[in-house]
Amino acid sequence: DAGITQSPRHKVTETGTPVTLRCHQTENHRYMYWYRQDPGHGLRLIHYSYGVKDTDKGEVSDGYSVSRSKTEDFLLTLESATSSQTSVYFCAISVKGGSNSPLHFGNGTRLTVT
Amino acid sequence: SQQGEEDPQALSIQEGENATMNCSYKTSINNLQWYRQNSGRGLVHLILIRSNEREKHSGRLRVTLDTSKKSSSLLITASRAADTASYFCATEMEYGNKLVFGAGTILRVKS
Repeated sequence: DAGITQSPRHKVTETGTPVTLRCHQTENHRYMYWYRQDPGHGLRLIHYSYGVKDTDKGEVSDGYSVSRSKTEDFLLTLESATSSQTSVYFCAISVKGGSNSPLHFGNGTRLTVT
Repeated sequence: SQQGEEDPQALSIQEGENATMNCSYKTSINNLQWYRQNSGRGLVHLILIRSNEREKHSGRLRVTLDTSKKSSSLLITASRAADTASYFCATEMEYGNKLVFGAGTILRVKS
């Protein structure tokens, strides 16, 4: 699984609280991604990073922010969680980087916002 | 918005039979990829086919790409119970490997 660890694996939080999800990789790959998975939607890109302090928005970035202060860690923050952010969140890395490269995924974080 | 859409949404077959899943997309692509997801786990990459390729094989997997029809198919031959999973196609439209995923096909292989 390309050395990707997501934490926590499960979290239940209340509406309006901040939540931070962590993705840690052990192999110093440059490109990292956060996706969310919801029934009927497949996976949708939230934010991605192409290096330390270099991040950009994906398709569904509203309500989310990210930070990458070290190569190995990519953090996803929900500033004020809403019920619509109940989902399974996946971190992924691109091993080769750039184009035409498969993604390797972590095992996900299941987040429930009550 | 979804770029890739898989068909069928669900497929149930007997062990030993072949399984075919289709993916259609809307805009031009750099490549198309197929992934498998077992219940409760992350996605696992199966195969990548570039826009200038028409067919690729990997073990029991065969992927075709028809850019004129904007469609791809994934064939799993001689299916096994362990192939039971969800299968997703994903397209890369621009540099940076920002993949756009379809909603997936749920495959059930009965033993």
